[in-house]
Amino acid sequence: AQSVTQLDSQVPVFEEAPVELRCNYSSSVSVYLFWYVQYPNQGLQLLLKYLSGSTLVKGINGFEAEFNKSQTSFHLRKPSVHISDTAEYFCAVSEDTDKLIFGTGTRLQVFP
Amino acid sequence: DTAVSQTPKYLVTQMGNDKSIKCEQNLGHDTMYWYKQDSKKFLKIMFSYNNKELIINETVPNRFSPKSPDKAHLNLHINSLELGDSAVYFCASSSDRTLEPQHFGDGTRLSIL
Repeated sequence: AQSVTQLDSQVPVFEEAPVELRCNYSSSVSVYLFWYVQYPNQGLQLLLKYLSGSTLVKGINGFEAEFNKSQTSFHLRKPSVHISDTAEYFCAVSEDTDKLIFGTGTRLQVFP
Repeated sequence: DTAVSQTPKYLVTQMGNDKSIKCEQNLGHDTMYWYKQDSKKFLKIMFSYNNKELIINETVPNRFSPKSPDKAHLNLHINSLELGDSAVYFCASSSDRTLEPQHFGDGTRLSIL
């Protein structure tokens, strides 16, 4: 069965510093992987996705993620964060994209 | 233009009441979903419809009944509301069952008194 683990419930970071949000998944078959962002009082927005091909995926707002099959990971990175990146970030996995399984989220708090 | 819109945005009601949440998407998508996000931000799928047909029906009490009058609308009706139903409910849509990720509405915050 699929599952997603986001090890860090909160990540505090100063503005302009790099950040990595960790995501590990378990699945017995090939998967599709997603990162979503949720700003306060809003729905989720897709940041990026991995379906196949290059393991380094670039998304919106300067975010990127790397799919590592051997480590079953899909960590999200940004080289320099802004105050406006403060939000909840969700990793999700799907084996057929009809049913996304979400992680428990990581709260990114960017301080000035 | 709002792609996926839900109404109402906030819903405060008492235990035992019946309420509905409406969702409409103007993206021309074939598949629509309802998700529940609890107080700890955990997000779980409840239902999925493709062209008005029920595709996914997770372990949800039968007090929850989705209705899709056409492929642009997916409403959620909840009978006999309970305290544990308090959550944020998100509607979402996607155009392709196999690859298209989902577009979400802004959510309906349901509070049961």
